[in-house]
Amino acid sequence: NAGVTQTPKFQVLKTGQSMTLQCAQDMNHEYMSWYRQDPGMGLRLIHYSVGAGITDQGEVPNGYNVSRSTTEDFPLRLLSAAPSQTSVYFCASSYRRSNTEAFFGQGTRLTVV
Amino acid sequence: GESVGLHLPTLSVQEGDNSIINCAYSNSASDYFIWYKQESGKGPQFIIDIRSNMDKRQGQRVTVLLNKTVKHLSLQIAATQPGDSAVYFCAELPGYSSASKIIFGSGTRLSIRP
Repeated sequence: NAGVTQTPKFQVLKTGQSMTLQCAQDMNHEYMSWYRQDPGMGLRLIHYSVGAGITDQGEVPNGYNVSRSTTEDFPLRLLSAAPSQTSVYFCASSYRRSNTEAFFGQGTRLTVV
Repeated sequence: GESVGLHLPTLSVQEGDNSIINCAYSNSASDYFIWYKQESGKGPQFIIDIRSNMDKRQGQRVTVLLNKTVKHLSLQIAATQPGDSAVYFCAELPGYSSASKIIFGSGTRLSIRP
């Protein structure tokens, strides 16, 4: 059971480039989320989804797009990378009936130069 | 992530002693309060939660205390072990929401002295 898988683990982008961070889960979880983690700021919610075809914005959605065409996958797209998006990105998934237990991937460390 | 938490408060505890990690929260309307553990290079991992209508909940070697009067949450770890070394985050679930919308606070780094 792989759990939540994020790719790539590391990425360096130039300002203005676009890319997609991949997230896949094999636990048949309905709920999925994307967070970014910056030094001293904990994790901040970017976008989330409560099921296939349904997405919504979190605390810091600007500059990011998401889609949820299947239960398993929840990719995060950076439209035009900026240095302020340098961060560690985490994808998480959870059961519909679980209020509080989210399962996280290993993270993607993104540097924008 | 490996380098997050450069400015995190740190708690240093002797191996075998009890650890108490504190957290102040701001949203009185949160339905659940939660503790997550993050080891170096890994994603956060759920430890324990407490519903807002409770003041204490115990798990295996961990106890969470909730004081709604002063908006304070604490995590107590009994007989701290080297494997407990990590960053600990308190978090909350705003209102009637799902685990897709957990709001994390700033963390505390727990280091264990041999």
